[in-house]
Amino acid sequence: ETGVTQSPTHLIKTRGQQVTLRCSSQSGHNTVSWYQQALGQGPQFIFQYYREEENGRGNFPPRFSGLQFPNYSSELNVNALELDDSALYLCASGPGVEQFFGPGTRLTVL
Amino acid sequence: KQEVTQIPAALSVPEGENLVLNCSFTDSAIYNLQWFRQDPGKGLTSLLLIQSSQREQTSGRLNASLDKSSGRSTLYIAASQPGDSATYLCAVRRTGSGGSYIPTFGRGTSLIVHP
Repeated sequence: ETGVTQSPTHLIKTRGQQVTLRCSSQSGHNTVSWYQQALGQGPQFIFQYYREEENGRGNFPPRFSGLQFPNYSSELNVNALELDDSALYLCASGPGVEQFFGPGTRLTVL
Repeated sequence: KQEVTQIPAALSVPEGENLVLNCSFTDSAIYNLQWFRQDPGKGLTSLLLIQSSQREQTSGRLNASLDKSSGRSTLYIAASQPGDSATYLCAVRRTGSGGSYIPTFGRGTSLIVHP
């Protein structure tokens, strides 16, 4: 077990809605990253937070946003959902460069 | 832009075989390279992490090598077992702004080891 949990495990939304995914990390994991993994693909880096500040971002539009909280939890928010947002969303956290992954949230957009 | 390619895309072997999974990347200015295992619909489990200054790492039946100059890494699995069946992903990290480390993943090699 990595000590990283995500909720919910599955989620179904309709196009245009907004969604919030949550991740809970271990104490001391100051860095958290979020990834999108479409079926049959490798994970795509969305963004990274370090001590509650975004310090790295992949090629995702602004409707993907995040927050990191002092209690080592974090959120991924996606506005104006599109069909192509259907994917497994992974969160990873760690005290440094090496990161430990959660089990993911499977999002389906209809 | 970093591109990571993994070959083969899929592999099916009988139990006991020694396996070689390949990962190639286009930009050799990397910070580290990491191999992961992913079971269907699950998160990623880290297998081996190789810093850019290292040539290889070993853990049990797994050995990973890194040749940064040629943009290649190899994951060697000795004496494969049915429990090794999973998708194996390689990720290459570069340093980004603000102290971040930006990873690029390959699409993975899907491995089936049959009894």
